[in-house]
Amino acid sequence: GNSVTQMEGPVTLSEEAFLTINCTYTATGYPSLFWYVQYPGEGLQLLLKATKADDKGSNKGFEATYRKETTSFHLEKGSVQVSDSAVYFCALSDPYNQGGKLIFGQGTELSVKP
Amino acid sequence: ETGVTQTPRHLVMGMTNKKSLKCEQHLGHNAMYWYKQSAKKPLELMFVYNFKEQTENNSVPSRFSPECPNSSHLFLHLHTLQPEDSALYLCASSQERQETQYFGPGTRLLVL
Repeated sequence: GNSVTQMEGPVTLSEEAFLTINCTYTATGYPSLFWYVQYPGEGLQLLLKATKADDKGSNKGFEATYRKETTSFHLEKGSVQVSDSAVYFCALSDPYNQGGKLIFGQGTELSVKP
Repeated sequence: ETGVTQTPRHLVMGMTNKKSLKCEQHLGHNAMYWYKQSAKKPLELMFVYNFKEQTENNSVPSRFSPECPNSSHLFLHLHTLQPEDSALYLCASSQERQETQYFGPGTRLLVL
């Protein structure tokens, strides 16, 4: 079945450091890929998405490129801020399998220190 | 994101209580979802409603009872819960079943 694997956290960075959170997936069809972010005490917010191979999703300085050849969707940001501290979830949705069910990774906690 | 609202934000209940969680979406979506988020565990999809019809129930215990009176409102009725049911309950909606899901802020539930 479809699945998502994220790098384990917590990830601790200093302000203005470069961020990469790895995400790889297994899917039998052609999924859409997502990054959601959960700030402390809140629900999940859609951060960015990509719907086909080689698409790049971007938002708030974050980017992720849909790599079919490596089945990856790594999240990157060039310069993190303290306000980026949150839990980041990679997810996929395959409309041709499992009825578009959203499959989440386990989440990666990011802590940015001043 | 204020398109999906949930009330209450926090709830403490005893194991013999009956309570309900409410979700409302203002996005004109047709599909709504309940998820459970427990510490150190992946998000668990509980129920899916599409055009007010329940289309998925992921082996959720009967002490959780969903209700979807219309496309904008979703309830989760709770009765005789267990302490292990303590978690963050998240509601989400999407335009169609396969489209991008938008989440509410969640209800933090503590069962004593």
